[in-house]
Amino acid sequence: GAVVSQHPSWVICKSGTSVKIECRSLDFQATTMFWYRQFPKQSLMLMATSNEGSKATYEQGVEKDKFLINHASLTLSTLTVTSAHPEDSSFYICSAIKGSGSQPQHFGDGTRLSIL
Amino acid sequence: GENVEQHPSTLSVQEGDSAVIKCTYSDSASNYFPWYKQELGKRPQLIIDIRSNVGEKKDQRIAVTLNKTAKHFSLHITETQPEDSAVYFCASKGGTSYGKLTFGQGTILTVHP
Repeated sequence: GAVVSQHPSWVICKSGTSVKIECRSLDFQATTMFWYRQFPKQSLMLMATSNEGSKATYEQGVEKDKFLINHASLTLSTLTVTSAHPEDSSFYICSAIKGSGSQPQHFGDGTRLSIL
Repeated sequence: GENVEQHPSTLSVQEGDSAVIKCTYSDSASNYFPWYKQELGKRPQLIIDIRSNVGEKKDQRIAVTLNKTAKHFSLHITETQPEDSAVYFCASKGGTSYGKLTFGQGTILTVHP
């Protein structure tokens, strides 16, 4: 199998708080993970590509200092939303690739972030 | 970069009918095309995928066809069931991207009993 675990599943916090989301590949090693943001009734928008042991590659328009990504091991990538504001409220989903680049992406369960 | 267009945005069928969702892509070097099913509030789940060296792939009631010349691929679901109701996303992996997928806009499929 290829199981990806994402935690937490739901976060509600005050404006100005920083929130960390974890993405783990449970039964395989993932050199590459991806972070997406999804608004209601919309498609998945890629935010960044996370590579183990190197800096993440961010998509155009995504603030690097706002969305900090760390991929310190082959099974864990984290996304930290710094100084979150209500407009950051969204559904954040990670995915991981098992093996080479032309393999399926396996998704985590997602994190629903609500900033008050 | 790669651009993926998906149609229709909504699709309503009667149970037992077939459903077809179509996608076009822009990068002629794209070589991998997965389809994902996403139920409300849940993770996207891979239902079928196809690579550029294959024209058609089938898995029980689900099939995908790929026309590289026209740069489009389609998802076919036969004998639809109410539990097939969900949002379906097509995606494409560009020729130069390592695993990075570009997703279509999604199709809301509703299967009426």
